[in-house]
Amino acid sequence: AQSVSQHNHHVILSEAASLELGCNYSYGGTVNLFWYVQYPGQHLQLLLKYFSGDPLVKGIKGFEAEFIKSKFSFNLRKPSVQWSDTAEYFCAVTLDSNYQLIWGAGTKLIIKP
Amino acid sequence: DAGVTQSPTHLIKTRGQQVTLRCSPISGHKSVSWYQQVLGQGPQFIFQYYEKEERGRGNFPDRFSARQFPNYSSELNVNALLLGDSALYLCASSPYTDTQYFGPGTRLTVL
Repeated sequence: AQSVSQHNHHVILSEAASLELGCNYSYGGTVNLFWYVQYPGQHLQLLLKYFSGDPLVKGIKGFEAEFIKSKFSFNLRKPSVQWSDTAEYFCAVTLDSNYQLIWGAGTKLIIKP
Repeated sequence: DAGVTQSPTHLIKTRGQQVTLRCSPISGHKSVSWYQQVLGQGPQFIFQYYEKEERGRGNFPDRFSARQFPNYSSELNVNALLLGDSALYLCASSPYTDTQYFGPGTRLTVL
């Protein structure tokens, strides 16, 4: 069955550190890729998405992600994190023309002030 | 603009009971999807509706059902509740069936 893997369940960083969260999916066909974020006490928010075109996509709050088709990856990056980036981050994909989101287990990110 | 709204916010039921969860999509959005999120896991797809028709169903038992109304709002029904149904139930809306925008969820506790 198709799946999405997020390599790190918990990540702890200090402010100003660089961030990279891994996301891999298992599917050989066409995919749409998403990163969602859930801040403490808030609902899921779309961070960025990739449908087609430039594989480097920029999202809100300085986040970006790169789609590497050959590696089936869509890693999330931010050059310098802030305490306010503390949240849970989810990678999700849709496959071909199927619009069901398939989710990773999430990564809990804690930024130490 | 109002986002996706869900009601109720929290709900406590006992095993064997039935529950109805409600969702109002963003104005202009015609598609509604339902997901179940168990603590510590990513959401799992339950249903998607577009223009009042079911477009997809996840791997959930027949105790789970849903419908979409002419105003594009939606209800999720769960019959014969089990302890394992305790979860956060998320509703998402989208203009067609592409990018999905999520509501705050309904926290269901089954005792």
